[in-house]
Amino acid sequence: KAGVTQTPRYLIKTRGQQVTLSCSPISGHRSVSWYQQTPGQGLQFLFEYFSETQRNKGNFPGRFSGRQFSNSRSEMNVSTLELGDSALYLCASSLVPQGVLSIQYFGAGTRLSVL
Amino acid sequence: EDQVTQSPEALRLQEGESSSLNCSYTVSGLRGLFWYRQDPGKGPEFLFTLYSAGEEKEKERLKATLTKKESFLHITAPKPEDSATYLCAVEGYDKVIFGPGTSLSVIP
Repeated sequence: KAGVTQTPRYLIKTRGQQVTLSCSPISGHRSVSWYQQTPGQGLQFLFEYFSETQRNKGNFPGRFSGRQFSNSRSEMNVSTLELGDSALYLCASSLVPQGVLSIQYFGAGTRLSVL
Repeated sequence: EDQVTQSPEALRLQEGESSSLNCSYTVSGLRGLFWYRQDPGKGPEFLFTLYSAGEEKEKERLKATLTKKESFLHITAPKPEDSATYLCAVEGYDKVIFGPGTSLSVIP
């Protein structure tokens, strides 16, 4: 059974650009959550999607957005990139949404560097 | 405010030297507590779920325990391959909150 797949693995962008990251969850999983991980802040929750609906959103500016498609694949978009957006972006999928004993399975992440 | 803290921030052990990692939490409506392991350059990997105070789970050299306000991850006779960052996560009514992690290094 294939795991969570994130593409691309690495990205280099410049300030002001925008970026789209992709996540394919484990087959049958309908919940996809996105996290930002930095050495100083640890894992910070961005948002969760379940059945194409955003269930929760973390404390991030509106430049961070996402969506989920009918096949449960999800994309995350960051517009007007800032240097502080450099981080590892992790996607996690689970059978059930957060709050319902959800075991999350993580992808390897996308390493974004903003120059 | 819902919060998860972990201690110590970093831990160096000699191979075979047992120790414990701590996860303290405050959350409304605890549903469960999770332990994950994260290796450099990889996403976190699920280890255990604990649902109620007094519960214990074991896997190889790891044993996780849960009380009403904290969880411990006990590592018995660790090996170098146990070196990783160990993350604790707490699930409330509708969200999961991760702690900052403990970076464990096991020296041969």
